[in-house]
Formats: sequence, structure tokens, C-alpha cells
Amino acid sequence: GQQLNQSPQSMFIQEGEDVSMNCTSSSIFNTWLWYKQDPGEGPVLLIALYKAGELTSNGRLTAQFGITRKDSFLNISASIPSDVGIYFCAGHSGGGADGLTFGKGTHLIIQP
Amino acid sequence: NAGVTQTPKFRILKIGQSMTLQCTQDMNHNYMYWYRQDPGMGLKLIYYSVGAGITDKGEVPNGYNVSRSTTEDFPLRLELAAPSQTSVYFCASSPLRQGGNYGYTFGSGTRLTVV
Repeated sequence: GQQLNQSPQSMFIQEGEDVSMNCTSSSIFNTWLWYKQDPGEGPVLLIALYKAGELTSNGRLTAQFGITRKDSFLNISASIPSDVGIYFCAGHSGGGADGLTFGKGTHLIIQP
Repeated sequence: NAGVTQTPKFRILKIGQSMTLQCTQDMNHNYMYWYRQDPGMGLKLIYYSVGAGITDKGEVPNGYNVSRSTTEDFPLRLELAAPSQTSVYFCASSPLRQGGNYGYTFGSGTRLTVV
């Protein structure tokens, strides 16, 4: 099946620092989504991208849909303690099974 | 607005036992999904449904069954539990095929251990 390569696997940063993570794929996706998962909870949608080249912000979060449609990145500016969690990218190709393909996640840890 | 509700939150099964994981959504979404999440891994699609009476296999369907008799409910059945099915299971729903403008709404998960 399709695979998404998400990096980095984990990040240890200081409060106030900016964060950047990305996902790449060998195949094209028509939709890119970024989710955050808190411990013991299900993933929650942060940003959805539907067009190649699209750049979308949600507060301190910014995500972009790569021009090639094979990658996406998520940036978090001025990190705060509540940003701690696991961030997942997910893609949808629009064909075959209707489910999303998920990356393995980036575990963000913020040191005070 | 409850969103997607999963029960139970935790369960320990013995090898060979069976159980049903319940999932209910009150958003009138047509599309519903079951995913499993293993440590350090992303979510893998088990089964999905595009509407009442219609289900289809995802990436990892072996050992599971589903049914969709109503728009609201999408239970996942394990007939003969195996240690490989130890995982966290998430149910999700969506109003549109590609996740829509709001993506999927996930439940809070069922943590299953098979011993």
C-alpha cells in the first residue's frame, strides 16, 4: 500500500522555539491533512490542504501542500507547553479505498 | 454534541475470546472507519463504510468483521482474539469522501490487550 515518510520521529525543543516537520510520499496525494494526538485521545484535525501549492495557517500553525503533490510540511511558531503531543500527517489519493494513509507521527516534547 | 463515541475504553481479552467494539456517531455522517494504532506506528485502516448496509475492507482486515445497519453505528467484531490484535482501536467518521473540509472526527479509542 501507499506509505508516508514522516520526519523527524521525535523532537526535543525549548519552549518558544519554532518547530518544523514534514511528510513525503512516493505517490501523489490529492489531499493532505495534519492531525495532533494527545495521550489517551484520538487524533484531532489541525489543518486540511486540498490544492497543490496551498499554504494554510491556523493560529501559530502553518502547513503547505507541496507543488509535486508528494509532500507537505507543518510549522509551529513560538511553541508552548500545550503543543506537546504526537503530530500525524495523512494523505488521500482519491482512488481505491476511501481511508486516509497516515505517517508514523512526530513526537513533540517541549522542555521548559 | 457527543461526536464519535467508542466503548469500552479498555479491555483485556484471552486468546480465542470474541468481543465487539462499539462506535456511534451523532453527526449524521455517511462515512465511517475503523483504524488500529500500534506503538510508534501510524494508523492502519481495518474497515470502512460509505453508508448503511455498505462496508469494505481496508489495509488490515484479517481477523475482523464489521456491520453497518444504521447510519449512526459501526461496530467492529473480533471473533478469535490473537495477541497480534493487541492495539488501540479508533473509530472515525466523515461527512465527505475525501474527509471533507473538516477531515475525520475520531473517537477517543479502545485500548485492547490480548493475553
